[in-house]
Amino acid sequence: EADIYQTPRYLVIGTGKKITLECSQTMGHDKMYWYQQDPGMELHLIHYSYGVNSTEKGDLSSESTVSRIRTEHFPLTLESARPSHTSQYLCASSWATWDGYTFGSGTRLTVV
Amino acid sequence: KNEVEQSPQNLTAQEGEFITINCSYSVGISALHWLQQHPGGGIVSLFMLSSGKKKHGRLIATINIQEKHSSLHITASHPRDSAVYICAVRSGGSEKLVFGKGTKLTVNP
Repeated sequence: EADIYQTPRYLVIGTGKKITLECSQTMGHDKMYWYQQDPGMELHLIHYSYGVNSTEKGDLSSESTVSRIRTEHFPLTLESARPSHTSQYLCASSWATWDGYTFGSGTRLTVV
Repeated sequence: KNEVEQSPQNLTAQEGEFITINCSYSVGISALHWLQQHPGGGIVSLFMLSSGKKKHGRLIATINIQEKHSSLHITASHPRDSAVYICAVRSGGSEKLVFGKGTKLTVNP
């Protein structure tokens, strides 16, 4: 079944640790996105990719980095986690700009 | 002021009621999305509209491009419809979505 998977679902980590949030999709979508969402607030785009070896920063400044070495995989890395990074991170993909989006279940990150 | 404004912010209804959630936007758009976010955080795409009206089961979405306004209607609401409903727009020259803050719907049995 075509879908988009995010792991881990929940993560509690200490300040200064390096973490990677995983996102994989089985639909062959070229376009992939990372959004950050604080509780009760709107989603903000932090990174996006239009295909392999293509990555761009979004509208919200973020200390994270991404890579797109394979079509299906779009991991997000925080080199040194801080409490200000505590948030929900949502991955999404789409086939084309005129297509709908498929979202993952999200990773709820808490940095203590 | 947000480019995308939703109303109401919170909505409580009794099971069976007809629900309307509104979305107004201030930019020219190429498409508008309605999304559903459940308490667990995952998001489901409900509709993508560029004109007119779409229907899926008990859900109906309409858009008026001239008035820069869209509505999401839920007929015969059910407690399982309880979720946050999010409006998002893609402006004409961009591939990025701009999101509203969402409308939290609670349907009581």
